[in-house]
Amino acid sequence: QQPVQSPQAVILREGEDAVINCSSSKALYSVHWYRQKHGEAPVFLMILLKGGEQKGHEKISASFNEKKQQSSLYLTASQLSYSGTYFCGTSSPGSSNTGKLIFGQGTTLQVKP
Amino acid sequence: NAGVTQTPKFRVLKTGQSMTLLCAQDMNHEYMYWYRQDPGMGLRLIHYSVGEGTTAKGEVPDGYNVSRLKKQNFLLGLESAAPSQTSVYFCASLPGQGAGGYTFGSGTRLTVV
Repeated sequence: QQPVQSPQAVILREGEDAVINCSSSKALYSVHWYRQKHGEAPVFLMILLKGGEQKGHEKISASFNEKKQQSSLYLTASQLSYSGTYFCGTSSPGSSNTGKLIFGQGTTLQVKP
Repeated sequence: NAGVTQTPKFRVLKTGQSMTLLCAQDMNHEYMYWYRQDPGMGLRLIHYSVGEGTTAKGEVPDGYNVSRLKKQNFLLGLESAAPSQTSVYFCASLPGQGAGGYTFGSGTRLTVV
């Protein structure tokens, strides 16, 4: 079952912060975060594994709450380059040896000057 | 180093026609995936492969077939195209289990009329 992302869309001014949430009804092994610019392929940002947390970028970080089956992506001091659609991709313990991900529906982030 | 290359980039098919989408990676990755992306629905997994000669079904496999005869190539076939298969198709690869995030190809935009 597809994880649910919230909000669906957000508009920010440069320098503002944003939080994007990803919630699953299933137990999770890992959560990936990707950013996709219009007309381009998704680009990997970071991965969070069960039992740990990994920060991928200086101003973009994420948390993983295994008990709540949720992950959140934090974007601080947003820049124009942060604009795009953000996807979470989740894997379950049973499929951890396949690498396959189920993606959320995406959150569109627009950063204005 | 090209990464993941998809061909063709664009294609228009008539209902009932067949075609093959090619995904090639030069990173010696073990795992490969085919996803389709439709507006508001995120990325949905069609088929995947965890090694040369192996394939498995994803979330939405109906109407598609795949083959992985060589480690570097993953082919997606549509035997009899339908308008519901109009979508953007992305191929992705992963080095192996627990090895970071996906590298995506640039996508194939397919329209079935």
